Amino acid sequence: GAVVSQHPSWVICKSGTSVKIECRSLDFQATTMFWYRQFPKQSLMLMATSNEGSKATYEQGVEKDKFLINHASLTLSTLTVTSAHPEDSSFYICSATSGVVDTQYFGPGTRLTVL
Amino acid sequence: AQSVTQLDSQVPVFEEAPVELRCNYSSSVSVYLFWYVQYPNQGLQLLLKYLSGSTLVKGINGFEAEFNKSQTSFHLRKPSVHISDTAEYFCAVSAGFNFGNEKLTFGTGTRLTIIP
Repeated sequence: GAVVSQHPSWVICKSGTSVKIECRSLDFQATTMFWYRQFPKQSLMLMATSNEGSKATYEQGVEKDKFLINHASLTLSTLTVTSAHPEDSSFYICSATSGVVDTQYFGPGTRLTVL
Repeated sequence: AQSVTQLDSQVPVFEEAPVELRCNYSSSVSVYLFWYVQYPNQGLQLLLKYLSGSTLVKGINGFEAEFNKSQTSFHLRKPSVHISDTAEYFCAVSAGFNFGNEKLTFGTGTRLTIIP
């Protein structure tokens, strides 16, 4: 089946620093990747949709200058949390689809803790 | 726009008992419906999906769900649960023909706890 990986699985950083999270589709080409944020014991909230080779589409209320998304290849998308603050601490999950497969496949998530 | 309501935030069930997790949706267009499972500190795994055709959908791990258009529901069921089914379950909906590229709207989740 389709496999999506994320790296790192967890990261701790100091307030004010930037953190990059990678999302990779391992056995298929992902034309579209989605980035979600999940607070403890809550549902997933879509942050942005990224299509290979074009700018990401952000959901209302998501700061595009703070959460930089790059989808430079058909197998890799990155989310960079810039100038991270404690309120950015969360579980970040990506998903990917090729447009041919009929569902989104999710990565295992990245837990970000900002001190 | 679509929305999903999961009526129960927590469901405790004794091992080997049946379970039903409820999901209702609202949409002005045809929808595609999904159930995902999330184990602690992990991403989501697809349990099953309804795209079209038979309203009874069978998924992995012995789960099944029934699409009821008149009641706008997509309840998840399992006849006999195991300890390993303890997890968070999310119902989700998307719309559009190229639904693989459409946004998924998730419910708030139901935490299923299996009691030995």
